[in-house]
Amino acid sequence: DIQMTQSPSSLSASVGDRVTITCRASQSISSYLNWYQQKPGKAPKLLIYAASSLQSGVPSRFSGSGSGTDFTLTISSLQPEDFATYYCQQSYSGITFGQGTRLEIK
Amino acid sequence: QVQLQESGPGLVKPSGTLSLTCAVSGGSISSSNWWSWVRQPPGKGLEWIGEIYHSGSTNYNPSLKSRVTISVDKSKNQFSLKLSSVTAADTAVYYCTKTMSVVVVAATADAFDIWGQGTMVTVSS
Repeated sequence: DIQMTQSPSSLSASVGDRVTITCRASQSISSYLNWYQQKPGKAPKLLIYAASSLQSGVPSRFSGSGSGTDFTLTISSLQPEDFATYYCQQSYSGITFGQGTRLEIK
Repeated sequence: QVQLQESGPGLVKPSGTLSLTCAVSGGSISSSNWWSWVRQPPGKGLEWIGEIYHSGSTNYNPSLKSRVTISVDKSKNQFSLKLSSVTAADTAVYYCTKTMSVVVVAATADAFDIWGQGTMVTVSS
């Protein structure tokens, strides 16, 4: 199984901050990496697919990069509605998710 | 716009079988998409359970494969999940999803672009 490890597990930041979340795969997954945002009591929402492609309707302050084993999700200027939990997910071999990164208000 | 809605019992007894259905509206389950089940235990992360294509082809999470059956009913435009021999560890919110397949470097990558609202299933006597 391919293991996905996110860091940090939690993060405190302020509105307007630039934030980066990292996801590392236990083996190379090419660009088969997606990012989701989940708010309490809600289903996850697809933000980024194929490592760097922005899903339709997602604000441009979200961006993704990386390939192989190391990936990042960047939020260029945090907005109040961005405080949530973020998950990465690989589809290179089977499907596995990272453990999540909780983004909290400082 | 495709919408998904999960339904099924919210309480299942230990050693019993969990059965859920996902109704697809706004589109056909026979479109060129895979359909998946994902679950989330309370306060924990996401776990993929398995997927099905309208032809009936399936793929399952190896850790659950011995207990999982996913089926499709094209006449009702829905797909279903059965998880047998449940324990308290199977208590979770269960989501059904639609998979978006994208070509990446001459291969296909999958992302879950549409999710149901989720349904909470508790395993308890």
